[in-house]
Amino acid sequence: AQSVSQHNHHVILSEAASLELGCNYSYGGTVNLFWYVQYPGQHLQLLLKYFSGDPLVKGIKGFEAEFIKSKFSFNLRKPSVQWSDTAEYFCAVSYQTGANNLFFGTGTRLTVIP
Amino acid sequence: KAGVTQTPRYLIKTRGQQVTLSCSPISGHRSVSWYQQTPGQGLQFLFEYFSETQRNKGNFPGRFSGRQFSNSRSEMNVSTLELGDSALYLCASRRGLGQETQYFGPGTRLLVL
Repeated sequence: AQSVSQHNHHVILSEAASLELGCNYSYGGTVNLFWYVQYPGQHLQLLLKYFSGDPLVKGIKGFEAEFIKSKFSFNLRKPSVQWSDTAEYFCAVSYQTGANNLFFGTGTRLTVIP
Repeated sequence: KAGVTQTPRYLIKTRGQQVTLSCSPISGHRSVSWYQQTPGQGLQFLFEYFSETQRNKGNFPGRFSGRQFSNSRSEMNVSTLELGDSALYLCASRRGLGQETQYFGPGTRLLVL
């Protein structure tokens, strides 16, 4: 069965620290990859997505992610976090064959300390 | 352009009752998906509707059902509520069924007592 793993459940960083959140997915063919963010009290918002092409994808608010096909990974990075980045981050995958619905990881809670 | 809207935002029900949740997609979007979010299970796919037809279904019991209307609005129904159905129910819409980004609504928080 398709699955998505996010290795870090809770990450605590100081402002200006660099961030990398891991995401691995199970093989199931050609994939579309997403990172969504859920700020406290707000709904899920799309940070960035990968469908094809350049495996280094830039999203909103200075986030980027790299698709490494050989490792089935799509890690999220930000060089310098801010207090406002405190949120829960979800990696999601859809498989281009089949129904194409989203499979989500369990989420990583990021707390940024001012 | 208005985003995905869901009503009601909060709901309290008791075991055995049934509940209907509503979702209005972004204008021009014809696909609506429903997800359940709980602390223990995370975000899990319930079903997707496109052009009034269920296109895909997740691994949930038959108590969970849905439908879509000709204006793409969708409703989700849960019958014979159980305590474990307490969750945030999220609706997402996208333009079609291909490589399209799903945009999420704020969710309906359901508490079953």
